[in-house]
Amino acid sequence: ILNVEQSPQSLHVQEGDSTNFTCSFPSSNFYALHWYRWETAKSPEALFVMTLNGDEKKKGRISATLNTKEGYSYLYIKGSQPEDSATYLCAFIMAGGGNKLTFGTGTQLKVEL
Amino acid sequence: GAGVSQSPRYKVAKRGQDVALRCDPISGHVSLFWYQQALGQGPEFLTYFQNEAQLDKSGLPSDRFFAERPEGSVSTLKIQRTQQEDSAVYLCASTTGAYNEQFFGPGTRLTVL
Repeated sequence: ILNVEQSPQSLHVQEGDSTNFTCSFPSSNFYALHWYRWETAKSPEALFVMTLNGDEKKKGRISATLNTKEGYSYLYIKGSQPEDSATYLCAFIMAGGGNKLTFGTGTQLKVEL
Repeated sequence: GAGVSQSPRYKVAKRGQDVALRCDPISGHVSLFWYQQALGQGPEFLTYFQNEAQLDKSGLPSDRFFAERPEGSVSTLKIQRTQQEDSAVYLCASTTGAYNEQFFGPGTRLTVL
């Protein structure tokens, strides 16, 4: 059983704060790591697909880093806005294990005015 | 259609009833996945299709669960003799390539009474 863990489970921040979450995954047999944002009543939306150790990706105020040797990824949000409120999910794909995503339980972010 | 659609969005079933959940993937996407998200958990893999072929059904929790994609586009997830533990959000995702970002539908929330 693959173990993908996310922390914290939930987070409340004030508008303008910067924040970050952690995703840990198996360091062996790594193929890819995905980040998704899931707003209430909407479809999960892909943020990043990361495949190489040391990858850093950025989309607007959101960025992510990847360390496959130690098995973790960080997601950063700079200057949080209320529209950033969502559940952030990471998902791991194992090399040679098929292409299914193994998700963490998510970090629920609430940005308050 | 621009995205993945699922129907119904909400389904209430009495225990023992059969249900069918539909997924319309993005046109041209050969890969289609089904996931189950129980309350407080991350989505968990159920099954995967490449065109009409079901290549992995290792995540189906019991023989009451059956999925098909007969013409390589629309897929149906059928649950026979529903039980309370089947209550969950069922997500469908499609993608152009097996390891690429997955495009999710909004999910079907199934409640079994």
